[in-house]
Amino acid sequence: AQSVTQLGSHVSVSEGALVLLRCNYSSSVPPYLFWYVQYPNQGLQLLLKYTSAATLVKGINGFEAEFKKSETSFHLTKPSAHMSDAAEYFCAVSPSYSSASKIIFGSGTRLSIRP
Amino acid sequence: GAGVSQSPSNKVTEKGKDVELRCDPISGHTALYWYRQRLGQGLEFLIYFQGNSAPDKSGLPSDRFSAERTGESVSTLTIQRTQQEDSAVYLCASSLGDPYRDQETQYFGPGTRLLVL
Repeated sequence: AQSVTQLGSHVSVSEGALVLLRCNYSSSVPPYLFWYVQYPNQGLQLLLKYTSAATLVKGINGFEAEFKKSETSFHLTKPSAHMSDAAEYFCAVSPSYSSASKIIFGSGTRLSIRP
Repeated sequence: GAGVSQSPSNKVTEKGKDVELRCDPISGHTALYWYRQRLGQGLEFLIYFQGNSAPDKSGLPSDRFSAERTGESVSTLTIQRTQQEDSAVYLCASSLGDPYRDQETQYFGPGTRLLVL
């Protein structure tokens, strides 16, 4: 079985500061891991995904995430926050061999950017 | 080209009424998904269509929920005898194929916000 936990339902950082959104997962088999972003009044967009290739994954808008098997983590980072990064971010996990029906989403982290 | 579209964007209904939610996927996408997003929660998988295969309905919460898809185009999610706990945003997504085997990306629509009074 898979599960995903996002620590912190709301994170607030200053513009230009480091963004760190935490995601821990559990999976009985090698996982695929995803980060999605949802801007206000818009649908979800894929930010990046880990599919057992490089453990450091780079996504759109300067975001990246590192798969750490020993820590069962897939934290999302961005070196310098921009006002346009304000959105809801969802971490998701699925078993690497299964279909979409097995994907599990986290409860989301709302990122706010202070001027 | 156009992305995934959903209609209506908002729907307010009375408890016990039936509702139909529509999803127009990106042209050429064989896979289509419905999810439910309750306030403050993550996405719950509802149903998955892939080409002409039988849909995976394993996420539908009750027999009041059903969905159809015409070929590889429009899909309709129907909720019969709506209950207040059905209030949520219903999201549709499409992809070229199975994203978790073919590493394809899911493209999400803006959602339909359903409120059951």
